[in-house]
Amino acid sequence: DSGVTQTPKHLITATGQRVTLRCSPRSGDLSVYWYQQSLDQGLQFLIQYYNGEERAKGNILERFSAQQFPDLHSELNLSSLELGDSALYFCASSVGVQSYNEQFFGPGTRLTVL
Amino acid sequence: AQSVTQPDIHITVSEGASLELRCNYSYGATPYLFWYVQSPGQGLQLLLKYFSGDTLVQGIKGFEAEFKRSQSSFNLRKPSVHWSDAAEYFCAVGPNSGNTPLVFGKGTRLSVIA
Repeated sequence: DSGVTQTPKHLITATGQRVTLRCSPRSGDLSVYWYQQSLDQGLQFLIQYYNGEERAKGNILERFSAQQFPDLHSELNLSSLELGDSALYFCASSVGVQSYNEQFFGPGTRLTVL
Repeated sequence: AQSVTQPDIHITVSEGASLELRCNYSYGATPYLFWYVQSPGQGLQLLLKYFSGDTLVQGIKGFEAEFKRSQSSFNLRKPSVHWSDAAEYFCAVGPNSGNTPLVFGKGTRLSVIA
């Protein structure tokens, strides 16, 4: 158990809908990272927050947004969903802001868009 | 742009046999290098990392990896594979400063047969 929790574990929704994925980092970790894992693209970095502020942005679509709250949990919002958004979404946390700090991954949320 | 190549999509080894998973990277500066493992239904877990110093690094679960600058490689090895090692293995490269995101390879799936 990494100490990182993600809810829900599975999500099935329809095209055009909006969903929110939630992540609680390990106790004491200030950084939260979001990744998308798909069969064709592999593991893609989406966005990083550190202590409530956005610190790095990757291949995140404009339809996607995230935030980190004062209690350090984070949410990833996906809107106007398309079939291609079906993937496993991971959250990871680490102590510091540098990406080379060990990242602890949650179990993921599997999103299926029908 | 930085990239990571894991040439083997799927490898099958017999239990007790030795293992080597290949990783080649392209990076403009001296990188930090990582190997993560993803067991079925789980998030990623850090196996080992190379920052500097001894080019042979030891990790958890009996794994080791060797950094070869001249070959831009960071191959993962284990002398005797156990059935529980069956998983997906990801090599990643990151900066030695700042918080430029890690770049992950597409992974190598390891199957272990009796």
